[in-house]
Amino acid sequence: DIVMTQSPDSLAVSLGERATINCKSSQSVLYSSNSKNYLAWYQQKLGQPPKLLFYWASTRESGVPDRFSGSGSGTDFTLTISSLQAEDVAVYYCQQYYSTPLTFGPGTKVGIK
Amino acid sequence: QLQLQESGPGLVKPSETLSLTCTVSGDSISSSSYYWGWIRQTPGMGLEWIGSIYYSGSSYYNPSLKSRVTISVDTSKNQFSLKVSSVTAADTAIYFCATTRVGITLEHFDYWGQGTLVSVSS
Repeated sequence: DIVMTQSPDSLAVSLGERATINCKSSQSVLYSSNSKNYLAWYQQKLGQPPKLLFYWASTRESGVPDRFSGSGSGTDFTLTISSLQAEDVAVYYCQQYYSTPLTFGPGTKVGIK
Repeated sequence: QLQLQESGPGLVKPSETLSLTCTVSGDSISSSSYYWGWIRQTPGMGLEWIGSIYYSGSSYYNPSLKSRVTISVDTSKNQFSLKVSSVTAADTAIYFCATTRVGITLEHFDYWGQGTLVSVSS
């Protein structure tokens, strides 16, 4: 199984400041035949299901604000919120779909400082 | 817009079988675009993929649960279902149904149901 880890476990950022979340996979999720990273990011607010933010590591899902960005390749990935808004308070998860079983990171809780 | 809704008992006794149904609206479950899957969430294990099925019956399961899990599709009702046998307290979780796109492998989860809490207790 590909193990996903995230850091930090939680962070508190002032409104308008940058938040950075890291995700690491235990093996590369870069598929050589199409040069795509099989990595997604989700946002989960309290009492709601996860919401897809990015797939292929950096392709923004429709409707996701452009203050969110996804980057990285191979085994190391980053989700950045360039200017934190109150509505961004949530838990953020990465997920690999390079191989089954599909696996998620443990989540990073983002709050307001 | 695809919508998914889970339904089923919120309480199951230990050693019995957990059964949930996901009703799909906004598209046909026979669509060639999606696999239909189940994910569960617990405070201890986080988000855990259970398995996914294509309308034709082709399926993938998490090996950690495979021996106890069955996912099936009912195209006449536009529904798919989950059964987990021999449940214990460790199966207490919020269960989500969700779609993954069809690609070289299963892909990211783009549509999710709201989730349903299932507790295992006598």
